[in-house]
Amino acid sequence: DIQMTQSPSSLSASVGGRVTITCRASQSISSYLSWYQQKPGKAPNLLIYAASSLQSGVPSRFSGSGSGTDFTLTISSLQPEDFATYYCQQSYSTPYTFGQGTKLEIK
Amino acid sequence: EVQLVESGGGLIQPGGSLRLSCAASGFTVSSNYMSWVRQAPGKGLECLSVIYSGANTYYADSVKGRFTISRDNSKNTLYLQMNSLRAEDTAVYYCVRGLGDGLGLDYWGQGTLVTVSS
Repeated sequence: DIQMTQSPSSLSASVGGRVTITCRASQSISSYLSWYQQKPGKAPNLLIYAASSLQSGVPSRFSGSGSGTDFTLTISSLQPEDFATYYCQQSYSTPYTFGQGTKLEIK
Repeated sequence: EVQLVESGGGLIQPGGSLRLSCAASGFTVSSNYMSWVRQAPGKGLECLSVIYSGANTYYADSVKGRFTISRDNSKNTLYLQMNSLRAEDTAVYYCVRGLGDGLGLDYWGQGTLVTVSS
């Protein structure tokens, strides 16, 4: 199975700030990488697919990059509604594994 | 508008069975790959099973041989038959639509809670 490792596991940041979350795959997954946001008690929401494609309706302050084994999610100009948990997921091969999550908190 | 509405969760004793249903609207279930993803309390996400448009299926090792994914095209509904349930199967179960082969999961149901306990 492909292991997905996110870092950091948690971080705090200020409204208006910029954050970067990293996801590393245990083997190359090309660009088959998605990012999700999840708020407490809610289902996850797709932000980025194919490593860098912005899902329809997602604000442009979210961006993704990377290929192969190393990927990043960047949120520029943090808004209050962005404080949530973020997950990466590979869809290169089954099982379609998720990272362990990164909890973004308000500083 | 795409909607996924799960039902069938609840409290079940260890060793019991449940069938989850996911009624889809706004698209055709058989035209997309569909997945069941679960989240244990306070934990991360686990992709349990996938059914592709061509009807091929996949199962995580944790549920292989116990869970069965299926769909009823006439009802545009996805199912997850869960047998031999264990305490560690306690989780919120989400029905999810695949954006496209090898791409992300773009629509999620609201989730249904399955609690396995005596």
